[in-house]
Amino acid sequence: ELKVEQNPLFLSMQEGKNYTIYCNYSTTSDRLYWYRQDPGKSLESLFVLLSNGAVKQEGRLMASLDTKARLSTLHITAAVHDLSATYFCAGYRLKETSGSRLTFGEGTQLTVNP
Amino acid sequence: DVKVTQSSRYLVKRTGEKVFLECVQDMDHENMFWYRQDPGLGLRLIYFSYDVKMKEKGDIPEGYSVSREKKERFSLILESASTNQTSMYLCASSSRGRRETQYFGPGTRLLVL
Repeated sequence: ELKVEQNPLFLSMQEGKNYTIYCNYSTTSDRLYWYRQDPGKSLESLFVLLSNGAVKQEGRLMASLDTKARLSTLHITAAVHDLSATYFCAGYRLKETSGSRLTFGEGTQLTVNP
Repeated sequence: DVKVTQSSRYLVKRTGEKVFLECVQDMDHENMFWYRQDPGLGLRLIYFSYDVKMKEKGDIPEGYSVSREKKERFSLILESASTNQTSMYLCASSSRGRRETQYFGPGTRLLVL
């Protein structure tokens, strides 16, 4: 059974600083997703990481995947207030006879302070 | 753009009532999913469907059932609502393939009194 753990669960940071959110998963998952959720809103897809060593960047966010270490990271560069949200990672499980499914981490609630 | 809509944003029901939550997607996606989201627990999969009339249990199916009679519509049913089913319910859909991504609806916040 795939388990996904994120840390930290709560992150308060100052504008302009850098930080990394970590996502560990328990069994083989060769695909990893990152989502963002604003308060009271639904989830928005940020990144899909498809293979070992994959790196994706969008603005101040950069995600990477190390399948051997079963670890994905979401790095925040020079944080701004607009990045305040909850970030989820999700591991991917493919079932041969039916559709795939995701297992989500608990989420990291990020607050960027002026 | 993919659009996933849910029938209600907020619902208040009484214990023992039968509750229907509906989800519709407009991108001809094969897969549809129902999750519940609770503080500190992330998203947990209740049921999913990979084709019309096909369904599979997720991690927490107890107390729920689903129906998928048409490709675009996936319904979650609470046969007899209980207070521990108070939660945010999120529907998602995805196509199949190497780059499949789940797209989420706006969510239904259900309060069971």
